[in-house]
Amino acid sequence: EVQLLESGGGLVQPGGSLRLSCAATRFTFSSYAMSWVRQAPGKGLEWVSTISVSGGSTYYADSVKGRFTISRDNSKNTLYLQMSSLRAEDTAVYYCVKAHMTTVTRNAFGIWGQGTMVTVSS
Amino acid sequence: DIVMTQTPLSSPVTLGQPASISCRSSQSLVHSDGNTYLSWLQQRPGQPPRLLIYKISKRFSGVPDRFSGSGAGTDFTLKISRVEAEDVGVYYCMQATQFPWTFGQGTKVEIK
Repeated sequence: EVQLLESGGGLVQPGGSLRLSCAATRFTFSSYAMSWVRQAPGKGLEWVSTISVSGGSTYYADSVKGRFTISRDNSKNTLYLQMSSLRAEDTAVYYCVKAHMTTVTRNAFGIWGQGTMVTVSS
Repeated sequence: DIVMTQTPLSSPVTLGQPASISCRSSQSLVHSDGNTYLSWLQQRPGQPPRLLIYKISKRFSGVPDRFSGSGAGTDFTLKISRVEAEDVGVYYCMQATQFPWTFGQGTKVEIK
């Protein structure tokens, strides 16, 4: 069974930084685009960022552009989200998501991790 | 940005009865490659979302056939033919035709 295990969440002060990781197992990680989606407490879903299979193309929501960086290490089957200049409005559960179809970036969100909570507060 | 608008926002249904959720996009979701990247996700209480339907009407692996998707252009519908207790949760439509990818507000399905 495909597994995505997020880690790295926690409490951080406004203006601080955090790096999320997502360890992928039981599928060919290097063949799928990957994304981060977040959900603020009691709210709906918000797409954050997507990275192509090679890592050569990255896409960001305007709300995080310039502050967050998505990356992947295909040799380690791991996806990352480096978050800096964090704000209270970044408080959310962050989900790591595997694309449904191989290779292409434009895709449905096939498999979701359990999520990791990020709380930005002083 | 493409705005996704779902109706209703809440849907109390009787077990065994059908349910329907509408999703309208602010512009056509037909991509230049000919595909329409409209999907539906279900989020049960306390769980991460899971994919139900992609490209308007294709059921994801393991999704019961009581779930079906339809529509074209800017108007889309998710139907549950006979609601079961395990279908309780929030349903989201989502477009991946144009960045930024966007979600509907969510429709809460609950049992009457």
